[in-house]
Amino acid sequence: GIQVEQSPPDLILQEGANSTLRCNFSDSVNNLQWFHQNPWGQLINLFYIPSGTKQNGRLSATTVATERYSLLYISSSQTTDSGVYFCAVTTSGTYKYIFGTGTRLKVLA
Amino acid sequence: DGGITQSPKYLFRKEGQNVTLSCEQNLNHDAMYWYRQDPGQGLRLIYYSQIVNDFQKGDIAEGYSVSREKKESFPLTVTSAQKNPTAFYLCASKKARGTEAFFGQGTRLTVV
Repeated sequence: GIQVEQSPPDLILQEGANSTLRCNFSDSVNNLQWFHQNPWGQLINLFYIPSGTKQNGRLSATTVATERYSLLYISSSQTTDSGVYFCAVTTSGTYKYIFGTGTRLKVLA
Repeated sequence: DGGITQSPKYLFRKEGQNVTLSCEQNLNHDAMYWYRQDPGQGLRLIYYSQIVNDFQKGDIAEGYSVSREKKESFPLTVTSAQKNPTAFYLCASKKARGTEAFFGQGTRLTVV
């Protein structure tokens, strides 16, 4: 089955810094989402982005489907950005939604 | 309000007992999913269902069972055959292929 790897696995930032999180996948996908899991375990939808670029405030995401990766950019990070960031994908012809390994982000005040 | 409701939020079970976790959605979504998350780990797919009366095993289905008798409901039973059931369980739903998934708040199951 498809493999979904995220990097880096852990990231520590000072408040105000920028960061880039990466999601690599081993097969072509027709669905890709980015989620933020807060300290209470809730998964918050950030982007639905099977291809192209989207922006929402300080966050933006880009997916290059032909090269099998997606990037999540966080600018001017805040302590509330702390948590775990996951990407999740499905491949063509299936509803099977597979999660990446996650990036654990800690933003220090 | 539309959404996905998981209940209960916390559940304690004695070893050897079966327990059923509830997941209900009023979003008119076709597909529903169950994931397991262990502390500090990612989400692993247990079962998923594309339509009523049909479901498929995910990557870690052993020791679990599901049913999909109604579009709105996808309960998960953790059986006594599941060797290490203590975990955080998350339910999700999505409308169709090519659409985004939404998650419930999760159920924390502890075996005592």
